[in-house]
Amino acid sequence: DSGVTQTPKHLITATGQRVTLRCSPRSGDLSVYWYQQSLDQGLQFLIQYYNGEERAKGNILERFSAQQFPDLHSELNLSSLELGDSALYFCASSVGPEGADTQYFGPGTRLTVL
Amino acid sequence: AQTVTQSQPEMSVQEAETVTLSCTYDTSESDYYLFWYKQPPSRQMILVIRQEAYKQQNATENRFSVNFQKAAKSFSLKISDSQLGDAAMYFCAYVDLKETSGSRLTFGEGTQLTVNP
Repeated sequence: DSGVTQTPKHLITATGQRVTLRCSPRSGDLSVYWYQQSLDQGLQFLIQYYNGEERAKGNILERFSAQQFPDLHSELNLSSLELGDSALYFCASSVGPEGADTQYFGPGTRLTVL
Repeated sequence: AQTVTQSQPEMSVQEAETVTLSCTYDTSESDYYLFWYKQPPSRQMILVIRQEAYKQQNATENRFSVNFQKAAKSFSLKISDSQLGDAAMYFCAYVDLKETSGSRLTFGEGTQLTVNP
């Protein structure tokens, strides 16, 4: 158990819908990351937050947005869902914002868009 | 942009034997870290080992060790005395330490390891 929690574990929804994925980092970690794992794209970095501020952005679609709240939990919002958004979404956390800080992954949320 | 390549989509090993998984990467940076993560059937991403690029000594963690060749941009993982629980997808990952890059991990495609009893 990494100490990173993600809810829900599974999510099944329809095209065009909007969902919110939630992540709680390990105790003491200030940095949160979101990654997407799909069959065709592999594991891709989406976005990083550090202490409430966006720090880096990767291949995140405009239909997706994220935020980190004062209690340090983070939410990833996915809207106007398409079939291709079906994937495993991971949250990771680290103590600081730097590359030297090891990232610990949560168990993931499996999103299925029908 | 940095890239990470794992040229072995699948590997297999007999229980108690040794196996080596390959990884190469491409970067123009000099300060970076490399990682191996394991993803068992549960899909949890588990850190196996990490290597700081400035360190010449290869990292080891119990039965897991790496062969880090900085000039060749190669980072292989050796698993000794393989156990059934080592069966998983293994991902090589890179992160550079440049301030402007954030701390994104760049992953390879993965190598599926099967351990035969």
